[in-house]
Amino acid sequence: GQNIDQPTEMTATEGAIVQINCTYQTSGFNGLFWYQQHAGEAPTFLSYNVLDGLEEKGRFSSFLSRSKGYSYLLLKELQMKDSASYLCAPWNQAGTALIFGKGTTLSVSS
Amino acid sequence: DTGVSQDPRHKITKRGQNVTFRCDPISEHNRLYWYRQTLGQGPEFLTYFQNEAQLEKSRLLSDRFSAERPKGSFSTLEIQRTEQGDSAMYLCASSQGTAHYNEQFFGPGTRLTVL
Repeated sequence: GQNIDQPTEMTATEGAIVQINCTYQTSGFNGLFWYQQHAGEAPTFLSYNVLDGLEEKGRFSSFLSRSKGYSYLLLKELQMKDSASYLCAPWNQAGTALIFGKGTTLSVSS
Repeated sequence: DTGVSQDPRHKITKRGQNVTFRCDPISEHNRLYWYRQTLGQGPEFLTYFQNEAQLEKSRLLSDRFSAERPKGSFSTLEIQRTEQGDSAMYLCASSQGTAHYNEQFFGPGTRLTVL
């Protein structure tokens, strides 16, 4: 089976840096995605990790440690528009479906 | 390409009625997924197609649910004898190829309310 754990809510201020952690337990590992979802909208792709280490994309970075079953999403220079839910999603064992966590709701204030 | 589209965007129905949703994936995307999302939860996988073949179904997909992708392009998800517990956002996603790094592009979803 698979179990994904993320904090439910986080708050931060504009311009700050925030790290959203995700731990997962999977029978096999085929990679992990991070998606952003604004309220009432569809999830949109942020990043993908399959090897250990950091992937950087502008203000967003994602880190993976396969041995620890751990990933984090790092958001820099926060903006109000970053207020959204952030979803951690590893592939299932067969690599046929993403298993989403409940998501972390981030609120950015001025 | 305009992305993944879903129709209708909203559906209100009475318990016991049948409903059908449609998803049009991004052109030439061979993989198509259906997910269900309830408030405060992440999307839950329902089923997945590669071209016209339905290759996996979640245990969440009871006998009342059926999905098709007849020509490997658009897909339909039908729920028979709807129950109040079926109320949720139904999301469709598509991706190209079979590599695990290929991101899934999500549609705007169909919000179902069962009264």
